[in-house]
Amino acid sequence: QSALTQPASVSGSPGQSITISCTGTSSDVGGYKYVSWYQQHPGKAPKLMIYDVSNRPSGVSNRFSGSKSGNTASLTISGLQAEDEADYYCSSYTSISTYVFGTGTKVTVL
Amino acid sequence: QVQLVQSGAEVKKPGASVKVSCKASGYTFTDYYIHWVRQAPGQGLEWMGRITPNNGGTNYAQNFQGRVTMTRDTSISTAYMELRRLTSDDTAVYYCARDNYADYWFDPWGQGTLVTVSS
Repeated sequence: QSALTQPASVSGSPGQSITISCTGTSSDVGGYKYVSWYQQHPGKAPKLMIYDVSNRPSGVSNRFSGSKSGNTASLTISGLQAEDEADYYCSSYTSISTYVFGTGTKVTVL
Repeated sequence: QVQLVQSGAEVKKPGASVKVSCKASGYTFTDYYIHWVRQAPGQGLEWMGRITPNNGGTNYAQNFQGRVTMTRDTSISTAYMELRRLTSDDTAVYYCARDNYADYWFDPWGQGTLVTVSS
């Protein structure tokens, strides 16, 4: 199972919006609504930000939103803040009852 | 509050085995899967597999089949991941994470356990 494809890095100025893509296949991202997104700060464990493509857990800012079209899922961060600087990973359930993560995206706040 | 607390860092020699524990608290241990995910230094996340605590059933990623064993002890709400025939490529932080039986996401995660494989 190959890793889902994410851009290595995305940057934006405070207040701007950025979007991170996550491209898979019809056997994972495209076949299920089970895409989730995780934020990871250096030296810390990942934190769930979005589940089931577009749902936010309680306590996660509404500046984070998710969507999906075909084999590509996306995470949008609006009103970018300094604290959003971190690595972001997508994850998808797969047709062989396993999970696959994305390659990861480093978000830089300029 | 829901918490997963993992065992401490390990240093192993090539060819050896390592067993990492993940103690759950704040919820009913047998109501949620426990997944294991690893992250090599400077690299991304890699899903290793999961265990179903209520019956011990497992599902492993193909990359680890034959080399990993996931077990649990329900009496102490603890899950274990044992990885055998270690090489330097297994040097990584190993995380456990919870997942409801009806859901498909990981929350929360343990704090991570660094396993270093070095001669």
